[in-house]
Amino acid sequence: GAGVSQSPSNKVTEKGKDVELRCDPISGHTALYWYRQSLGQGLEFLIYFQGNSAPDKSGLPSDRFSAERTGGSVSTLTIQRTQQEDSAVYLCASNKDRGARGNVLTFGAGSRLTVL
Amino acid sequence: QKEVEQDPGPLSVPEGAIVSLNCTYSNSAFQYFMWYRQYSRKGPELLMYTYSSGNKEDGRFTAQVDKSSKYISLFIRDSQPSDSATYLCAMSSHSGAGSYQLTFGKGTKLSVIP
Repeated sequence: GAGVSQSPSNKVTEKGKDVELRCDPISGHTALYWYRQSLGQGLEFLIYFQGNSAPDKSGLPSDRFSAERTGGSVSTLTIQRTQQEDSAVYLCASNKDRGARGNVLTFGAGSRLTVL
Repeated sequence: QKEVEQDPGPLSVPEGAIVSLNCTYSNSAFQYFMWYRQYSRKGPELLMYTYSSGNKEDGRFTAQVDKSSKYISLFIRDSQPSDSATYLCAMSSHSGAGSYQLTFGKGTKLSVIP
């Protein structure tokens, strides 16, 4: 697609439920990132996928968080047993990760998660 | 000390004013500097991209990098209400592999009042 597509745009869930957030990156972008943006906290790196390499999971805050990327394209971020502190906007981004301006990220509009 | 420091504001200016937004950083390996603009309920979008020290101008926007002081700035001339957004600085030491090490400031929220 022309841009990074994320769904759902808004998700309200009850504490303890599992949620899945989806990201469809720009075609041809081999790198995909998930960030979390909380009020007043800036962008927090969660996980990075590059091609067929093992993902960098160093930013995942707990083992309740996991992500996968199928076929080098679409990615799903899963949060199990959600807690109120998980409420945030989850942003997906992609880039070429090589060549001129390979480090420029193109972001989706985000998935706003509210845990009641 | 955080790697990147950015005053969160909020910053409120009248239409037509010159706006100065700034970030300081501690990692001398940073070579690539970016400014992203984020409108409410949208994802950040790239506004300016610079490599190493110097100035870059694009319309009403000027990005400055002073690597000796570890200080970057974004100037907005003749500010417009449509410039009201959160501005995030970002920087990295690489342009390719390993670029996941992009480090962001917390963002400055700007309001331009008509």
